Amino acid sequence: AQKITQTQPGMFVQEKEAVTLDCTYDTSDQSYGLFWYKQPSSGEMIFLIYQGSYDEQNATEGRYSLNFQKARKSANLVISASQLGDSAMYFCAMRELYNQGGKLIFGQGTELSVKP
Amino acid sequence: DGGITQSPKYLFRKEGQNVTLSCEQNLNHDAMYWYRQDPGQGLRLIYYSQIVNDFQKGDIAEGYSVSREKKESFPLTVTSAQKNPTAFYLCASSTRTPSNTEAFFGQGTRLTVV
Repeated sequence: AQKITQTQPGMFVQEKEAVTLDCTYDTSDQSYGLFWYKQPSSGEMIFLIYQGSYDEQNATEGRYSLNFQKARKSANLVISASQLGDSAMYFCAMRELYNQGGKLIFGQGTELSVKP
Repeated sequence: DGGITQSPKYLFRKEGQNVTLSCEQNLNHDAMYWYRQDPGQGLRLIYYSQIVNDFQKGDIAEGYSVSREKKESFPLTVTSAQKNPTAFYLCASSTRTPSNTEAFFGQGTRLTVV
């Protein structure tokens, strides 16, 4: 069954340091996409980064990188040089490309707090 | 500007009433989704649709109904059968699978039962 697990309800990081947010997933599909979103207190959902199951390189977008370990079914988000504006909820998501008819599901989220 | 619009932003409902949340997109996306978010929680999938006139139940469909008569629109009705409807509701759209493009979200509707 399709499932996303984020085991860190809350995380603290010092400004300018790096932080890793964990995400593991379960799927029987060979083709799937993994996404990370940021949700500030305003409630909007901001797309951060995407990793495809067949991508051999880890995805990077500016200060965001995705540490993709396919055999372990993990897709951790790494934020480098944290900023105060990074304080928000972060959600990992997965969409199976063939099974489940494109169902897009989310994990429980991690609340990140950046300390000055 | 292309985007996805949810209305209203805030909605109050009396117990026992049905209420419909609007979601419209002009991104020419085939796929649309409805999620429910409770305070401090993740997004739970209510319904999703990959094509006009077709939709599937998500993980928490009981007490909700949807329609997909037009590509641009995917309204969600919260029925009186939904026992605890107070929550933040998010609508999203994306290109149809197989695809590596992200889903775009509306600004959300905050529903409160009074």
